Amino acid sequence: AQSVTQLGSHVSVSEGALVLLRCNYSSSVSVYLFWYVQYPNQGLQLLLKYLSGSTLVKGINGFEAEFNKSQTSFHLRKPSAHISDTAEYFCAVSPRGGQNFVFGPGTRLSVLP
Amino acid sequence: SAVISQKPSRDICQRGTSLTIQCQVDSQVTMMFWYRQQPGQSLTLIATANQGSEATYESGFVIDKFPISRPNLTFSTLTVSNMSPEDSSIYLCKAGENTEAFFGQGTRLTVV
Repeated sequence: AQSVTQLGSHVSVSEGALVLLRCNYSSSVSVYLFWYVQYPNQGLQLLLKYLSGSTLVKGINGFEAEFNKSQTSFHLRKPSAHISDTAEYFCAVSPRGGQNFVFGPGTRLSVLP
Repeated sequence: SAVISQKPSRDICQRGTSLTIQCQVDSQVTMMFWYRQQPGQSLTLIATANQGSEATYESGFVIDKFPISRPNLTFSTLTVSNMSPEDSSIYLCKAGENTEAFFGQGTRLTVV
């Protein structure tokens, strides 16, 4: 079974500041890793995913994440926040060879002017 | 990437009634799933919609409450039966394999 934790249910940053959202997971099998964003009153949009290969993954809207197997982490980062990044962010894992997604509790990011 | 059309996008329903949510994919997919997102919480898998057979439900979810249909490889429905205010949530369908999965826009359900 897999589980996902996200440190900080609510993160506030100023516009132009670094965004760092933390995700740690536990799993007894190898997993794929994902970050999704949910804007107010909308569904989920895939930001980026790690399947294999380079541990640094670049996604849409300037976001990137780094997979660290030893620390079982997949932290999301954006060098310079924009007001439009205000949203809920979900980290998720899915076992290789399986189909289910296990989602973290989410982190609400507020970008302040 | 697949385009998923989910409807209705939102609804307000009376307790004791049922609502059927539709999920249409623009291409054939083997796997379709239904998730629930309760207010202020993360997503929880309700069931896997299997084409040509009964859905596979997760612990805590039963077919009588959440009947699911999957008549073909592009379409699925989720019914929320005998609704109570506790069923007020966002319901989302997901289509595709885990390495290439896409979500519908969600159905925001309010039960009064």
